[in-house]
Parts: sequence; structure tokens; C-alpha cells
Amino acid sequence: EDQVTQSPEALRLQEGESSSLNCSYTVSGLRGLFWYRQDPGKGPEFLFTLYSAGEEKEKERLKATLTKKESFLHITAPKPEDSATYLCAVRRNYGQNFVFGPGTRLSVLP
Amino acid sequence: DSGVTQTPKHLITATGQRVTLRCSPRSGDLSVYWYQQSLDQGLQFLIQYYNGEERAKGNILERFSAQQFPDLHSELNLSSLELGDSALYFCASSVVEQGEQYFGPGTRLTVT
Repeated sequence: EDQVTQSPEALRLQEGESSSLNCSYTVSGLRGLFWYRQDPGKGPEFLFTLYSAGEEKEKERLKATLTKKESFLHITAPKPEDSATYLCAVRRNYGQNFVFGPGTRLSVLP
Repeated sequence: DSGVTQTPKHLITATGQRVTLRCSPRSGDLSVYWYQQSLDQGLQFLIQYYNGEERAKGNILERFSAQQFPDLHSELNLSSLELGDSALYFCASSVVEQGEQYFGPGTRLTVT
């Protein structure tokens, strides 16, 4: 069965303390891995799309990487405004739908 | 602001009732997706439309139905509502079927 897991479930960092979030997947025929940021009570905000192992994307303090079985979202020198839930999703080779992971709740303390 | 609009923002209704949620995609986007997000189940894909045609179904109950109209807006109909249907319902849109999705602000449904 296709599965997407994320770890840790929650992460508390001090401002400036870099870390990484993990997204592991078991999917037949990956057609893309997506990262989103979600603030409480709001819709997910698109961050990155990765399509093949070895691919990397960067945006401000965030960098996403992809291997054959997992993706990492690296956060460098985070600020309190980076506090949110980070979701990853995979799109499968069959069908047209996305499978979302449960998310990692990130809190960055000043 | 993603450019995707959803109405209403909040909806409170009783068990057994029927409601309709509305979504307008970003200008130029042909594909619309519906998701349900509850505290215990995360973001669950319900259904996808592309240019008026149903393209994929996820964990959508038989009590739920959706459609996409010629002007590309979409409606999600929920009937015979149960307490467990209380959740945030999100609509998302994308230019092409394989592309990244842009989410609306959601409709919070409370069934009492």
C-alpha cells in the first residue's frame, strides 16, 4: 500500500538553529513529490516540486532534496515566521491523485 | 493569496442536512481538486476534475458528490451529514493535471 510518513511529528527550534524535516514514501511510480507549508486554519501554500532523485530546490531559508525513498526539507537559520506545519505529498504514476503525509509541526522560538 | 476562492468560509448545520461548497479556481487553471482535512486524519484527497470531467476519485463517500461547471468553478455537495463530516474542506487548482496545486482558504464545516 502506498504510504507517506513524516518525521518528526513536531519540532521546536530556537531562532537560528538549523534542522531538517523528513518525508519518507513507499509509492509505485512516483510522478512528483511536493512540499507545502500550512498555517493554522489556512490552506496549504505550495513550496517545491521535486521529480527525480538527486534534485534539489531552494527558496530563502528552505532547501528540499529528493532520494529514491525520501525527501528532506532543510531549514537554515530559521526565524519565528517559519513556524507552521510542513506537509509533503506524492503523486503516483497511476491515477491522478495525491497522497499527503501527516505533516511536521515546526515551532521556531525567538 | 493563492487566487483560489471558496465560499462560504464557515458553515454550521445539523445532522441529516445537505450543504453545497463552492470553489472558483485560479484564472487559467483547468483542474480542480477537493480535499477534506480533519484533526485525526490529515489531508484526504476526495475528487479531481479537469475541464469539466471527473479524472480521479479518492476517499469520497457516496453521500458526497461534486461537479465542475463550464465556467470551471466547482461545487462539492455533502448530504445526509453526520457529526464525523465536520472538517475543513479545501479546494485546490492547477494549470495542468500533473502540476503543483494551489489551495483555497477552505470552508470550515461544523455538523451539530
